[in-house]
Parts: sequence; structure tokens; C-alpha cells
Amino acid sequence: DTGVSQNPRHKITKRGQNVTFRCDPISEHNRLYWYRQTLGQGPEFLTYFQNEAQLEKSRLLSDRFSAERPKGSFSTLEIQRTEQGDSAMYLCASSFRLSGRSHNEQFFGPGTRLTVL
Amino acid sequence: GDSVTQMEGPVTLSEEAFLTINCTYTATGYPSLFWYVQYPGEGLQLLLKATKADDKGSNKGFEATYRKETTSFHLEKGSVQVSDSAVYFCALSESAVEYGNKLVFGAGTILRVKS
Repeated sequence: DTGVSQNPRHKITKRGQNVTFRCDPISEHNRLYWYRQTLGQGPEFLTYFQNEAQLEKSRLLSDRFSAERPKGSFSTLEIQRTEQGDSAMYLCASSFRLSGRSHNEQFFGPGTRLTVL
Repeated sequence: GDSVTQMEGPVTLSEEAFLTINCTYTATGYPSLFWYVQYPGEGLQLLLKATKADDKGSNKGFEATYRKETTSFHLEKGSVQVSDSAVYFCALSESAVEYGNKLVFGAGTILRVKS
């Protein structure tokens, strides 16, 4: 399977615990995006990387959230001191940015569903 | 900031009925427009896209035309099937480099097709 993969698919944790999610993008995709989707809403942008550089972070990404893409391949999203409001589906997408093109299709993974008790 | 508004669901249709899901947008620059679909238990998939005014995106019998004058990108299909039951998301992406091509989504519209 050469699509975007995310692990784990489901995570249940207690309030105050730390969690980490992993995203493996499509090989050779240089851009990687994280989105959050709550029930009944569309995905909301959190942050994105071009290769290993984190180029933008949404104001939705509080100080408790951190994302990395250390070698420009897979990425991790960590949430510290989880709160019940963090319960959501966390989606990862990747694309291959070609200079001069106005848009490059993003391919989404299946998501990690986080439940904070 | 940029935003996308789409009609609320759920939309319930009988098989072979005509489908329209309305989508309007607000954007700073010149966005590309998309429809994504999420089938039960699956991830988001790109259904179709249009990158400039008057472009028509089409795929699997679905169509949408980029209307800059009405800032709309309505999704249509002439004859829906039970297998089209899913959640449909309208989205935009600013084309300017500084926006990073991030997607701005609408809230989604649930489509249910009955046999």
C-alpha cells in the first residue's frame, strides 16, 4: 500500500496524559499537513511541513501541541497534558510541491481518532 | 479569513434522483476549489477540482463549475446511486505561495441514497 498511513488508528487516554501520533506520507512527497476534525465539522488546518521545515502553525495549535518531521519523511504530532477538548480525528495529508504549480493534490490518511476521558 | 459554507444535511435521495449540494466561499485571493468525499470508514478522497474561474471539474458522474461571480462551486450529479452515500466536503486552497496550499473546508454534507 503506497498511500498515507497513520498510527495508531484509535487512541483512548485519560485527561492530563501525553499522546503521540505518527504519519507516514507517500514516498517522495515533500509536503506534509496535519488537520483536526471534530464531529460534524470539516477538517481544520493545524500545521504543515515542507521537507523537514515546519512552515506554518495555526493558532489552533496551542503550546501543548508539537509536531516534527525530523528527516523529511514521517511526522509525529504530540499533545501534552491532554484535555477533553482535544478529542477529535487527527488527519495527515501529503503532497508533492512542484515549483510554479498553483496547487498540488493532497492525499489523506485514514486518521487517528483520539478520545480523552 | 478564507471560509467555505455548504448546505446542511443530511440530504436524503432516492436512487437515480438528481443531486445538488451548494457550496459558496470567501477568499482573499484566487483559490483553487475542491470537492472531497469521505465514504463510511474511509479517509478523505479528492472527488474533483477546478483551479480557475469557469473551469468545470468532473469525476464519477459528479460535476462542479467554478463561478467567480457568485463565489460558488456547487456539486451536481444527474443520477445518484446507493454507493454515493457518503459525506461530501467543499474546500478551497489559496494559490499564492505564502498560503502553503493548505485546505479550508466546509462543514460537510451527509448524503444518504435509498434504494
